[in-house]
Amino acid sequence: KAGVTQTPRYLIKTRGQQVTLSCSPISGHRSVSWYQQTPGQGLQFLFEYFSETQRNKGNFPGRFSGRQFSNSRSEMNVSTLELGDSALYLCASSQTRGINEQYFGPGTRLTVT
Amino acid sequence: ILNVEQSPQSLHVQEGDSTNFTCSFPSSNFYALHWYRWETAKSPEALFVMTLNGDEKKKGRISATLNTKEGYSYLYIKGSQPEDSATYLCASPDNYGQNFVFGPGTRLSVLP
Repeated sequence: KAGVTQTPRYLIKTRGQQVTLSCSPISGHRSVSWYQQTPGQGLQFLFEYFSETQRNKGNFPGRFSGRQFSNSRSEMNVSTLELGDSALYLCASSQTRGINEQYFGPGTRLTVT
Repeated sequence: ILNVEQSPQSLHVQEGDSTNFTCSFPSSNFYALHWYRWETAKSPEALFVMTLNGDEKKKGRISATLNTKEGYSYLYIKGSQPEDSATYLCASPDNYGQNFVFGPGTRLSVLP
């Protein structure tokens, strides 16, 4: 079974720009969660999508948004980038989040200059 | 939002030593407790998902226990090997699967 894939792997953007990150989950997994990892904050939950619906959202500003398509692929968008958005963005898929283990992708390293 | 804590923050052990770490979480509204291993330059890898008080799970030399009444889980590694060097994260969803919260992790270094 193919694992979780994320594109792009690395990205450099300028403050004020917007960015879209993509995540393809493991086949059959309907839940996709997004996390931000920064050195000072650790892994922080952004949001979770299940069957094209956002089920949960972490404590992040509205600049962070996402969506999920009918094939369970998910995209995450960050608008009006700030320097503090520089981080590793991980997505994880599972059959149902909470009681099922999550499978993580390799991440997208975003650098905002 | 619930608070998940881990201790120690980092640990250095010699090859062959056994070690353990702690994950603490609020015992009220407990739903599940996850353990992940995150090696440098790789993705976090699921080790265990535990849901029942008294649960004990094992995978090779690694095992974990769960006490939901007092809000803690232990992860044990028997006979540590250099390849066990990684950051070990625990995580818990709050309120029946909402808002997945990760602890800060325990960074383990196993010296040959």
